[in-house]
Amino acid sequence: QSALTQPASVSGSLGQSITISCTGTSSDVGGYNYVSWYQHHPGKAPKLMIYEVSNRPSGVPDRFSGSKSGNTASLTISGLQAEDEADYYCSSNTPINTWLFGGGTKVTVL
Amino acid sequence: QVQLVESGGGVVQPGRSLRLSCAVSGFSFSTHGMHWVRQAPGKGLEWVAAISYDGNDKYYVDSVKGRFTVSRDNSKNILYLQMNSLRAEDTAIYYCSKGRSGSWCSDYWGQGTLVTVSS
Repeated sequence: QSALTQPASVSGSLGQSITISCTGTSSDVGGYNYVSWYQHHPGKAPKLMIYEVSNRPSGVPDRFSGSKSGNTASLTISGLQAEDEADYYCSSNTPINTWLFGGGTKVTVL
Repeated sequence: QVQLVESGGGVVQPGRSLRLSCAVSGFSFSTHGMHWVRQAPGKGLEWVAAISYDGNDKYYVDSVKGRFTVSRDNSKNILYLQMNSLRAEDTAIYYCSKGRSGSWCSDYWGQGTLVTVSS
């Protein structure tokens, strides 16, 4: 099982919007609506930002949104804030009840 | 509030064993699946293992099958990861996480415990 594909880094200015892509296959991202996104500040616990492609847990700002088209899912951060600078990981389940993560994307706020 | 606290990490020689624990509180442990996820130095997150709410179903990433065993004690609210035949490539921060009901994701995570496999 190969990891899902994410860009290594994405940057944007304060207040701008950025989008992080997450590409898998029809056996994972494209086959299920169980794509999730996590924010990870080094040294801290990862935080769930989006689940089931586009749902936000309570407490997550609505500037975070998720979508999916075919085998590619996306996380969009609108109105980028300084505290959004972190690593972001997508994940998906697989047909054999395992879990795949993307390689991670480092978001830099300029 | 929900809390997950990992323990048991440390430095261990290749080929030896280590058992990680994850003590949880603030939610009904016995009704949720649980996961172990690791992050090697300078690398991304990697899912390691999952266990169903009752312990009857267990799943592993290929690289640890036959070496690692996930288990749980619902009477003590503790999740375990028994790691045998450790290799240098198992060096990582190991996180436990709570599965979100009805969904393949984790809504709460611990802070992690560092495992270093080195001679």
